[in-house]
Amino acid sequence: GNSVTQMEGPVTLSEEAFLTINCTYTATGYPSLFWYVQYPGEGLQLLLKATKADDKGSNKGFEATYRKETTSFHLEKGSVQVSDSAVYFCALSDRGTGNQFYFGTGTSLTVIP
Amino acid sequence: DVKVTQSSRYLVKRTGEKVFLECVQDMDHENMFWYRQDPGLGLRLIYFSYDVKMKEKGDIPEGYSVSREKKERFSLILESASTNQTSMYLCASIGPVGDAYNEQFFGPGTRLTVL
Repeated sequence: GNSVTQMEGPVTLSEEAFLTINCTYTATGYPSLFWYVQYPGEGLQLLLKATKADDKGSNKGFEATYRKETTSFHLEKGSVQVSDSAVYFCALSDRGTGNQFYFGTGTSLTVIP
Repeated sequence: DVKVTQSSRYLVKRTGEKVFLECVQDMDHENMFWYRQDPGLGLRLIYFSYDVKMKEKGDIPEGYSVSREKKERFSLILESASTNQTSMYLCASIGPVGDAYNEQFFGPGTRLTVL
């Protein structure tokens, strides 16, 4: 079946530190992969996505590369800011088998000045 | 901009009450979803709908029902609220396969407290 496993938090970093949040997946077909972000008190919003192997999604300084050989989609940012404090969710969808999305449990990030 | 709206941001109800959570999207999406979000458990799918009057159970449908009378509106119903249904409820929608966005769009969430 389809599932997503992501790094447990919480993660606390100093401003300008390097961020990695690990995400691995299991899928029966050819999924698209996503990172969503949830700021305090809000719903989820798409941060970036990749639809096929070796694609790199990027947005707001965040990047993730779709690695089929390691079934991974790790989120990285070179220099985090206080405003990046949020919960990050890795997700996959296999539109070929339905419209469901499968989410990881979320990783809470706090960036301190 | 795609907009998914939910009827309330915060709701407080008593045990045994019937609770309606409303979700409306303005993108003419066929597919709509209800999730609940709890600390340490991430998002869990309650119900989804791929067309008007159609519904499918998700992973945790017990204690919930849904209604989709119009394409843009998807309602989650707690027939008799219980304290273990205290949670954040998120609605989402997505277009058909081949849609340009290919992503789920989320509402702001309803934080429900059942006393």
